[in-house]
This record gives sequence, C-alpha cells and structure tokens, in this order.
Amino acid sequence: QVQLQESGPRLVKPSQTLSLTCNVSGDSISSGDSYWSWIRQHPGKGLEWVGYVYNSGHTYYNPSLKSRVDISIDTSKNQFSLRLTSVTAADTAVYYCARELDYALGYWGQGILVTVSS
Amino acid sequence: QSVLTQPPSVSGAPGQRVTISCTGSSSNIGAGYDVHWYQQLPGTAPKLLIYGDSNRPSGVPDRFSGSKSGTSASLVISGLHVDDEADYYCQSFDSSLDNSGVFGGGTKLTVL
Repeated sequence: QVQLQESGPRLVKPSQTLSLTCNVSGDSISSGDSYWSWIRQHPGKGLEWVGYVYNSGHTYYNPSLKSRVDISIDTSKNQFSLRLTSVTAADTAVYYCARELDYALGYWGQGILVTVSS
Repeated sequence: QSVLTQPPSVSGAPGQRVTISCTGSSSNIGAGYDVHWYQQLPGTAPKLLIYGDSNRPSGVPDRFSGSKSGTSASLVISGLHVDDEADYYCQSFDSSLDNSGVFGGGTKLTVL
C-alpha cells in the first residue's frame, strides 16, 4: 500500500525558503513513469497545484509560482522535495504531496500546515 | 479565480441525486485532457473519486459517476448519504499553463 508523508519546518520566516520532503513507502519512486506532485491549500480555500516531477527528473510548475519553486526527486532515499523561495504570508497553507494513479492524484499524504510568520 | 469553474455549493436531501459541474476551456478539458474528481472531508486530505473522466477507483461506490462533454465535465452523486457531505474538486491539465495541473474552485455539498 502506497503511503506518503510530508515533513519539514512548520514555521518559516518571511523572505526565507520553505523546504518540505515527501517520504514514500510501499512503492519505488523510480519505478514506471509516474509523476509526483505538490499541492497546497490556503486556510479555508481550494486546492492549488504547485508542481510535479517525473522520476526522470522532468518538472512542471504552476506558472504563478515558477520563479520561486523547485521540485526534485531523490531515488536513493525514495523521496521527493519542494523548495519555495522568498516566502510571504501568502504562502501559508497546508502542503500535500501526492502520487499519480492513471494520470490522476491517486495517493495523498496527510498534509502539513506551514505558517509563514516572523 | 480558478481555471476550472465549479458552483460554490450544491445541496440535496438523503436519497436524492445531485450534479456538480466543472467548466473549462479549449486549453484544458476541451483539449482532451482527462478530468478527475476528488472528495475532501473536513480536516482530511482529498481522496480520488473519479479518474479519467468516468472511472472509479477500487472502493468508490457506484453512486458516484463522472462524464465529460466538450469543455465541461460533471460529477453525479446518486442516492445521497449524509456522509457524502464534503468539498468536491475537479482537476485537469492546461496546455496554456505549461501543462500545469489545474483545479476547480471546489463545491461544498450539503446533505439536508
């Protein structure tokens, strides 16, 4: 059974970099041609796609975040990561990692609330 | 402003049928990208409900069905249960946004 778990600092200061890791169990991140995604949800709001990475390393980012986002994959640790630079209060959100299933987001982590505040 | 447009809310009584629409454009749904639907219960992560326009993952009741036509898609929930009360999101991809994934704004289903 595929399980994903987000980890990282829950409090980040403005202008700093948000860094999160998604640990994957029950599946090899390097198998097949799946994509691995980050999605966020501002408090009380809808879902926003941040970006995704294929196990080849090819990435696709939300154009509104592209200049600040980097998603990478580490097959040796079976995990993938999100870095979001120059954060502001507007980046306060629950961040989810997810794995593809038949081109949809079939498996989700439980989410991690990251607050940007001094 | 979401790329995919959903009604903010729908409601129905137990046992009734409701439809949630998802309207896109020629660069996403109309371009042939699949539409997927997610259910988000309060305080939990979203769960895949429908993939590839109309397919149900294992374990999803057949009360949930999806369809797509042109630049729009629909989720139909038949025989409403009280525990269907949740937020529902449609999702696709958009060629005009560097093939980024896109979501609808979400629809709050209230079971009266």
